[in-house]
Amino acid sequence: GQQLNQSPQSMFIQEGEDVSMNCTSSSIFNTWLWYKQDPGEGPVLLIALYKAGELTSNGRLTAQFGITRKDSFLNISASIPSDVGIYFCAGQPAGGTSYGKLTFGQGTILTVHP
Amino acid sequence: DADVTQTPRNRITKTGKRIMLECSQTKGHDRMYWYRQDPGLGLRLIYYSFDVKDINKGEISDGYSVSRQAQAKFSLSLESAIPNQTALYFCATSESSTDTQYFGPGTRLTVL
Repeated sequence: GQQLNQSPQSMFIQEGEDVSMNCTSSSIFNTWLWYKQDPGEGPVLLIALYKAGELTSNGRLTAQFGITRKDSFLNISASIPSDVGIYFCAGQPAGGTSYGKLTFGQGTILTVHP
Repeated sequence: DADVTQTPRNRITKTGKRIMLECSQTKGHDRMYWYRQDPGLGLRLIYYSFDVKDINKGEISDGYSVSRQAQAKFSLSLESAIPNQTALYFCATSESSTDTQYFGPGTRLTVL
């Protein structure tokens, strides 16, 4: 099946630092989504991207849909302790057999030290 | 009230037992999904349903079955639970016009 490579797997940063994570694939995607999961909870949608080259912000979060349609990145500026959690990328692959289904990255575990 | 609810939130059972996990949504979405989450593996799709009469297998459907009782309800069953089915299980919903999925709070299942 489709594979998404998400990196880094984990990050340990100081409060106030900026964070960057990305997802890449060997296949083309029609949609890129970024989710955050807090401990004991389900993933919550942060940003949705629907067009190649699209750059979208949500507060301190910024995400981009890569021009090649094979990658996406998420940046968090001026991190705060509540940014702690697992961040997942997800994409809807191009192609009829993947219609309506998402492929998920393995997740980036973010730890923020006060 | 939450838009997507899952019951139970936690369950401990024994090998060989039949287990049903339930999902309800008030978002009015046509599409519903069941995922399994294991550490380091992200989310993997078990089954999905695009409407009440449509059920499809995902990438890891062996050992699981589902029932779409209504637009708002989608249940996942483990006919004979085994220890390697210990995991977090998430239900999700989406509109038919978009790929964006909304997740429930999850069920933590432990099979002894």
